[in-house]
This record gives sequence, structure tokens and C-alpha cells, in this order.
Amino acid sequence: ETGVTQSPTHLIKTRGQQVTLRCSSQSGHNTVSWYQQALGQGPQFIFQYYREEENGRGNFPPRFSGLQFPNYSSELNVNALELDDSALYLCASSLQSSGGADIQYFGAGTRLSVL
Amino acid sequence: AQKITQTQPGMFVQEKEAVTLDCTYDTSDPSYGLFWYKQPSSGEMIFLIYQGSYDQQNATEGRYSLNFQKARKSANLVISASQLGDSAMYFCAMREKRTGANNLFFGTGTRLTVIP
Repeated sequence: ETGVTQSPTHLIKTRGQQVTLRCSSQSGHNTVSWYQQALGQGPQFIFQYYREEENGRGNFPPRFSGLQFPNYSSELNVNALELDDSALYLCASSLQSSGGADIQYFGAGTRLSVL
Repeated sequence: AQKITQTQPGMFVQEKEAVTLDCTYDTSDPSYGLFWYKQPSSGEMIFLIYQGSYDQQNATEGRYSLNFQKARKSANLVISASQLGDSAMYFCAMREKRTGANNLFFGTGTRLTVIP
């Protein structure tokens, strides 16, 4: 158990809809990262939030957006869903520190299917 | 160029034997970290082991050890005394310090099957 929880576990949407995924980070962690894992692939970095500010972004379009709240929980929002957005979405929390390993601990993910 | 390469899509190992999962990486950043994660069919990525680029010794965590060969840019995971519960996908990942963000670059993974 990593203490990172994601909801919902599964979600089915249709093309063009919008979706919000949620993540509660591990106690004491200040950073949340989101990843997209397509079937048969390794996770791809979407973006990261550190103390409520975006702290890096991967190669994803602006319709992927996020928030981090004062309690360090986070949301991932995807607008105008496309079929290729079908994937496992993983949230990871970490404690960002100078010179540390900054190990990311993952939740069990949200499996999104876009029809 | 791929930052992380895992060339073994699938591996089989007999229970109680040791197995090595290969990982090579590509970076020009002198400061980086290497990670291995296990992903069972449930989907959760489980952290196994970490190696920093300046660490002098190879990392070990219980039955897991990391064979770090810096000049060859390889970071192979060795699992000793394999157990049936070790059957899963294994991902190698890297973080580069210069990016500022704490994001990980993952390989495509190796599916390990432990045979009774």
C-alpha cells in the first residue's frame, strides 16, 4: 500500500465528452505527477504539480489540464475526449527535496475507455 | 532517441532461480536517477529499487539488486530466488536532474513469468 488513492477505478466515456480523474497523495508528499499508460506501453509523463503550481509538462495537448489543492490532492481533466485517450491514467506522489531520490509512489490507476 | 530501452519483451524463470532484466539508458545529464518498478495485473506501479548516478555501490533491496554499469549506460535488475508472486511487468525508468521536473521516462517493460 502506497497511500496514493485514485478515483474512479474505471470510467467509460464517449468521444467529445470531458472527464475528471482524482488523486489523493501520500501523507507528507508535496508533489503529484500524472502519467498515461496505453495498452502494452510504458507510462508517459503528462504533467507534474508542486505546491499547487505546474512544474513540468510532457508532450500532451492543452486539453489535458490539472489542478493541485492545498492538501496536495490533485485532479486531471481531459476535454474533448478522443478514442486515443483510452488508457490507464496513473497518479504518483513524491516528496521533492534537494539532492534526494524523490521516489514516486503510484496509485492503482484509473482505466479510461473512450467509445 | 529512446531514453530507456528494455530489449526483452518477455522472460521466463524457474521458481527459486535468479533472473536478470536488462535496461539501457541514454542521457547527457551527469546527474540522474534510475528506478525499477513492478506492475502486476492490477495496474499499480510498485517501486522496487533506486540507483543514483553518483552512487558508488550497486543498490540492493532484499531480493532485488541493481547491476549499475555507468560506462555502458546499463542498469539491469537482478531478482534472486524468484517466487511465483514475482510474475508481473517490470519497468525501468530514469529521471534527469536538469529537467527540473521530477518526471520519469519509462521503458516499454519486460513481462516476467515465474514457472513453478
